[in-house]
This record gives sequence, structure tokens and C-alpha cells, in this order.
Amino acid sequence: EVHLVESGGALVQPGGSLRLSCAASGFTFSSYGMNWVRQAPGKGLEYISYISDRGTTIYYADSVRGRFTVSRDNAENSLYLQMNSLTDEDTAVYYCARDYDSSSYFYSAPGHWGKGTQVSVSS
Amino acid sequence: NSMLTQPPSVSESPGKTVTIPCTRKSGGIVSNYVQWYQQRPGSAPTIVIYEDKRRPSGVPDRFSGSIDSSSNSASLTISGLETEDEADYYCQSYHNNIRMFGGGTKLTVL
Repeated sequence: EVHLVESGGALVQPGGSLRLSCAASGFTFSSYGMNWVRQAPGKGLEYISYISDRGTTIYYADSVRGRFTVSRDNAENSLYLQMNSLTDEDTAVYYCARDYDSSSYFYSAPGHWGKGTQVSVSS
Repeated sequence: NSMLTQPPSVSESPGKTVTIPCTRKSGGIVSNYVQWYQQRPGSAPTIVIYEDKRRPSGVPDRFSGSIDSSSNSASLTISGLETEDEADYYCQSYHNNIRMFGGGTKLTVL
């Protein structure tokens, strides 16, 4: 069974940094593209970032490009999101999600989701 | 403003059929696959339709997806509505090579 557990969420001041982690189990982590998706309080889903199975292809939404960095450690079955220059607009639940298929980026999508971790940006 | 437009809310009675549209503002809806997600209150999203019309194992066949190129829209149809179908539903596709979600539709079953 696919199991994804996010961690690292916290209350942080504007301008601060945070590193989120996602521990994966129940599947061959190195075979799947991975995603970060967030949801602000009372709002819809916002796609943040994608990283391919070997980390060679990466995409970011315009809202986070230049501030957030996605990475993965296939030996540790872990996904990361380094978040810098945080603003109150980054306050959200952050979900880690595995692609439903090991196909390439345009032929798959987030299919298995973790429960999320809360990031709050406030002074 | 999402490139994928959904009505904010829809409502229907138990046992009836409801269709949720997802209209693409620019670019062809057939250019990329469309997925649909269900999110119940307080829970993470789950995928209910992938590749426009395919259903993951475990999703009831009451859920179906379709594409209409004439209206440049994708649709999620749920038949035989049950109270447990009450949730937020999001379409997902691509814009400028970036995966993106529609704004979401709150389905009320009353």
C-alpha cells in the first residue's frame, strides 16, 4: 500500500525559511514522479512542484519559482521542499503526492496523497 | 484565476445524476489528459478519474468522465447520487507545461 507522510510544517515568520519532508513507503520510490500541492485555508488546490523519478525534470508553479526548491533522495525514499522568503500567502496545508503511473510527466498526475502538513506564516 | 473554470457549487438530490463541467479558457481541452479529484471535508484529495475517462480501481462506476471538444470542456458525471458523494471536486490538467487545478466545485447532495 502506498504510504506518504509529510513533516516539517510549522509556524514561521514572514521572510523565513522551512524545509518540508515526505517519507514514502509501500512502493518503489525511485520509479515515480512526485508532486507538492498546497491548499490555503478555505481555498482550492494549488499545484506547486513536480520532480521526476530520477530528479532530472523539475517544474514549479509561477507563484513559488525562485523561492522553493524541490529535491528527492531515492536512497532514503524521501521527497523534500525547501521554502525560502515565505509570505503569508504561503500559509497552507502542503500535500506530497505520488504520480498514479510511472509514465512520463504528461501521461500521469498526482494519484496517491499524504495527509498533509500545516505551514503557517505569520508575525 | 485558473485556466480551468468550474462552477463554485452544484446541488442535487440523492439518486439523481449530476454533471460538473471544467472549461479550459485557452488551448484545446484535448491537448492534455484531464483528471478529477474528490476531497471530502478534512481529508486529502483522492483521484476518481484519470486520463479523461478512466476509473481507478475501487471507484464506483457511478463516476464517469468525458471530454467535449466543441465546448472545450471536460465533465465529471456522478449517477445514483449518494450522501457520501458530498464533497469538493477538482479537475486537473496542464497550462504552459505546468500541472494545474480548476477552482473546485462543491457538490451538495440534499
